[in-house]
Amino acid sequence: NAGVMQNPRHLVRRRGQEARLRCSPMKGHSHVYWYRQLPEEGLKFMVYLQKENIIDESGMPKERFSAEFPKEGPSILRIQQVVRGDSAAYFCASSQDRKYEQYFGPGTRLTVT
Amino acid sequence: AQRVTQPEKLLSVFKGAPVELKCNYSYSGSPELFWYVQYSRQRLQLLLRHISRESIKGFTADLNKGETSFHLKKPFAQEEDSAMYYCALSINNAGNMLTFGGGTRLMVKP
Repeated sequence: NAGVMQNPRHLVRRRGQEARLRCSPMKGHSHVYWYRQLPEEGLKFMVYLQKENIIDESGMPKERFSAEFPKEGPSILRIQQVVRGDSAAYFCASSQDRKYEQYFGPGTRLTVT
Repeated sequence: AQRVTQPEKLLSVFKGAPVELKCNYSYSGSPELFWYVQYSRQRLQLLLRHISRESIKGFTADLNKGETSFHLKKPFAQEEDSAMYYCALSINNAGNMLTFGGGTRLMVKP
């Protein structure tokens, strides 16, 4: 089992461009969580998804951010019209069920220039 | 809203010395508490959770509901314990989303 996969590992975008971050959960996991880590801070919850459903998006900024976890394929975190403040490490975690341990991916480091 | 505080950003000890990484939380209900560790160039991984009451790699943590603390302890630190440590909390029936503290970097000197 390769574990949670995230790509790209590093992403550079200019202000105003779109960023797409991908997360492939561990085999057999249908629950996905996205977290953001700003410099010098801890991880902050953004969104919790199950296949084809957003369960909790209470940590998502109201504008420009969206997430999906389709029936087939990876979960996608999409940031439209990126700004410098979006520069951060974005981590994805997956679990077998909501009560089970979350396994984390290596993260995607987004830099907005 | 729930909150997790790790007051020390950096903790430096010598090999063989005792270690205590502090974690305090605020939540009026009964949360589940975790310690996660991130070694250099590795991904974040679960170290231990309070409900399992295990000792992992010599580390233990006891949930103190009166003091709302979940400090991580090890009697004799090893150089390979050097890493970032994050305390985290989840609320039952809330999707298991984790609320993290800011992290403490532990450096164990030879």
